[in-house]
Amino acid sequence: QVQLVQSGAEVKKPASSVKVSCQASGDTFDSYGIAWVRRTPGQGLEWMGGIIPAFGTTSYAQKFQGRVTFSADASTTTAFMELNTLTSDDTAVYYCARDVVGSHFFDPWGQGTVVTVSS
Amino acid sequence: QSVLTQPPSVSGAPGQTVTISCSGSSSNLGAGYDVHWYQHLPGTAPKLLISYNTNRPSGVPDRFSGSKSGTSASLAITGLQADDEGDYFCQSFDIGLSGRGREVFGGGTRLTVL
Repeated sequence: QVQLVQSGAEVKKPASSVKVSCQASGDTFDSYGIAWVRRTPGQGLEWMGGIIPAFGTTSYAQKFQGRVTFSADASTTTAFMELNTLTSDDTAVYYCARDVVGSHFFDPWGQGTVVTVSS
Repeated sequence: QSVLTQPPSVSGAPGQTVTISCSGSSSNLGAGYDVHWYQHLPGTAPKLLISYNTNRPSGVPDRFSGSKSGTSASLAITGLQADDEGDYFCQSFDIGLSGRGREVFGGGTRLTVL
């Protein structure tokens, strides 16, 4: 049974970058992808994109294209999300979730990483 | 503005039944893409409640059920309990005008147990 454990909370300055990790246990990366979803204060869930670690294939939501990078290290079954040029609008809880390729749903989810962008 | 439309809030007394709607369009639900539902309780990670329109993953109580017809879907919760209080989101795939697909969520519905 896959479990996803994310890195801890971050406080960042505007214009800086943040890198969040998501380590999977209980399975290898061979059979699924990792999606990234965020929830901003007072707002709903927002899909950012994802990666299929076995192939290195990435997909990005148009809103974040050029500002976010997904990567993965199969040896440690860890996925990463790096978001650049942060603004206060990026203050959110960032989640990784398993994305069974072709299923279009996400299960399970990591515990979330709070990213606060403040000067 | 979310691609999938949900009511901002619903409420019900313990033991009652509530239904949460999710309205889409011809580029997502109407195109045959499935809808999935998540429960997001305060301070926790979102949890998959319903997959593929009607399927309940192992461990999800049968108080939760889903349906889909055309461009609409709904989540029903029977026998409301206090710990059902939280936010509920529908999610699907949208092919869009450009043909570049993306995953989309509803705006979320806050369930209050009175």
